[in-house]
This record gives sequence, structure tokens and C-alpha cells, in this order.
Amino acid sequence: SQKIEQNSEALNIQEGKTATLTCNYTNYSPAYLQWYRQDPGRGPVFLLLIRENEKEKRKERLKVTFDTTLKQSLFHITASQPADSATYLCAQFGNEKLTFGTGTRLTIIP
Amino acid sequence: DAGVIQSPRHEVTEMGQEVTLRCKPISGHNSLFWYRQTMMRGLELLIYFNNNVPIDDSGMPEDRFSAKMPNASFSTLKIQPSEPRDSAVYFCASSLFRARDTIYFGEGSWLTVV
Repeated sequence: SQKIEQNSEALNIQEGKTATLTCNYTNYSPAYLQWYRQDPGRGPVFLLLIRENEKEKRKERLKVTFDTTLKQSLFHITASQPADSATYLCAQFGNEKLTFGTGTRLTIIP
Repeated sequence: DAGVIQSPRHEVTEMGQEVTLRCKPISGHNSLFWYRQTMMRGLELLIYFNNNVPIDDSGMPEDRFSAKMPNASFSTLKIQPSEPRDSAVYFCASSLFRARDTIYFGEGSWLTVV
């Protein structure tokens, strides 16, 4: 069955640096991937969607890439700020379902 | 728009009791999803509805779990009888068109079964 994995459970980054989170999937290439942000005690909030025919997507300080050869998506936050600290979830669309990874807890250190 | 509204936000119940979680999706959205989140298993899809009809309930763990959507603005997830392993955060989410569109989550119902 299709799996989606986020390799790092937790990541600490110095403020101002670029944070890079990784999402890997197995088997077939999903039609698209989504990235969500989840703050403690809150529901996930949609950030970005990237389709399999797109190499890169940007939104303000956020950038997502989709590499179908490596079966991987990278999520970048440039000029990171303490307010970016949260758990970030990637999700793949397949079989009319959105399947989520377990998330990476990102902490931006002032 | 008020977003997806879930109730109760927190529920503590004793093993064996019935638990009912409620959800009001965003007005105009025709797809509704129930997810469960735990530390061990992350966010798992339990069931989703399209136009009030259950499309895929393969994620429902067992017969103790049931979900209904009597109309476009209301859904329930019921656990009867509840067990300690059901303790988790249950999220309801909605979208305009199945999972092909952005999914909007509620704030979750935190369930503890003792």
C-alpha cells in the first residue's frame, strides 16, 4: 500500500536560517502533495499544494518542491522566525483520499 | 465563515460509555471527513462523506465506531462502547470536492476514555 513518510520527527533551526523538511512516498507517484501546519491544540491548516507535473511552488517565505524521480517533496521556510515553530504535515492524494505523514515538529531557536 | 465547528472540544468518559462527537462543516462544502490523531499513528482517515453519502469507511477501526451525516450541515461520530485505546483527538474536516480540494479542519475533539 502507498505510504508517506516524514523522516524527521523533530527539527531545530536557528532563527533566520532556512528550514528544510522532507516527505517521502513509496510506490506510485501521487497526483499531488499538500503541506499543512499544525499548532499545539489546533487542527491542521493548509499551506501549499504541488502537483506531480510541477517542480516547485512558492508562497511568500515558503517553497515546496516535488521530485518524482526521488519520490520526495521538500518544504522550505526561508528567513525562519520563532513564529514558524509548529508541526508540519505532508499529505498525498491517491484513491480519492488524502493520507498524511506523521509530521515534523519544527522549532525555530531565537 | 465560522469554519468547521466541532463539539465537544474535550470529553472525558469512562470505559463502556457511549461517546458522540459532532461536526458542522463549512457551508457549501459537499465533502466531510473524520480523522483520528494519535502520537503513535498520526492522522488517520476514518470515514468520508460526499453529498451526505458515506463513500469510504475502510478506516473505521471496528463495529464500535459509526458515523452519520443526516444533512449537509451536520455529522456525528459515535463510539459505543468506548475503550481506553479510543483516546485520541478526533478531527472533522470539510472540502468543496472530496480530497481533490483543500481540506479545512476543525479544532478537534479531545477524547479521553478512562
